[in-house]
Amino acid sequence: EIVMTQSPATLSVSPGERAILSCRASQSVRTNLAWYQQKPGQAPRLLIYGASTRATGFPARFSGSGSGTEFTLTISSLQSEDFAIYYCQQYNNWYSFGRGTKLEIK
Amino acid sequence: DVQLVESGGGLVQPGGSLRLSCAASGFTFSNYSMNWVRQAPGKGLEWISYISSSSSAVFNADSMKGRFAISRDNAKNSLYLQMSSLTAEDTAVYYCVRVLVVPNAFGYFDLWGRGTLVTVSS
Repeated sequence: EIVMTQSPATLSVSPGERAILSCRASQSVRTNLAWYQQKPGQAPRLLIYGASTRATGFPARFSGSGSGTEFTLTISSLQSEDFAIYYCQQYNNWYSFGRGTKLEIK
Repeated sequence: DVQLVESGGGLVQPGGSLRLSCAASGFTFSNYSMNWVRQAPGKGLEWISYISSSSSAVFNADSMKGRFAISRDNAKNSLYLQMSSLTAEDTAVYYCVRVLVVPNAFGYFDLWGRGTLVTVSS
């Protein structure tokens, strides 16, 4: 099983600032990596797939990068609606999720 | 609208069984592989089961220990999850999820239902 490790568990950032979330895989997943956004009381929503392709409906301030075992989700200028929990997921060898990073308002 | 709507959740006693359903609409259900994913209260996401578009391939996460069975009826645009020998650790919101398969990989989850809550308690 591929273990996905996200850091930090909680990230406190002020609106307008940049947030950088990390995700590490226990073995290479190439670029078969997705990010999901989940807001309280809602289902997760696909944000990034293929490590760097933004899903429909998300603005350009969201960007993903990385390959192999190290990945990053960057939100360039945080808006109020961006505060949520973000999960990474590998789909290279079945599926496994990270434990999530909670992005909270500082 | 393209959507997935789960049903069948509720309160069940430890050791009991439950069958979840997921109704798909707004897209050609038979063209897509599907999954179930769950989320315990205040916890992260856990993949449960996968079924291919024609039901020819079915896989479960090892952690489910053979207690869960995924199935589908393409004529009814429906996905199912039969759960048995339930314990308190199975208490979670269960999501029906559509997969976009990609070459040489398993595919990412592009459409999620709102989920149905299963509570296992006496």
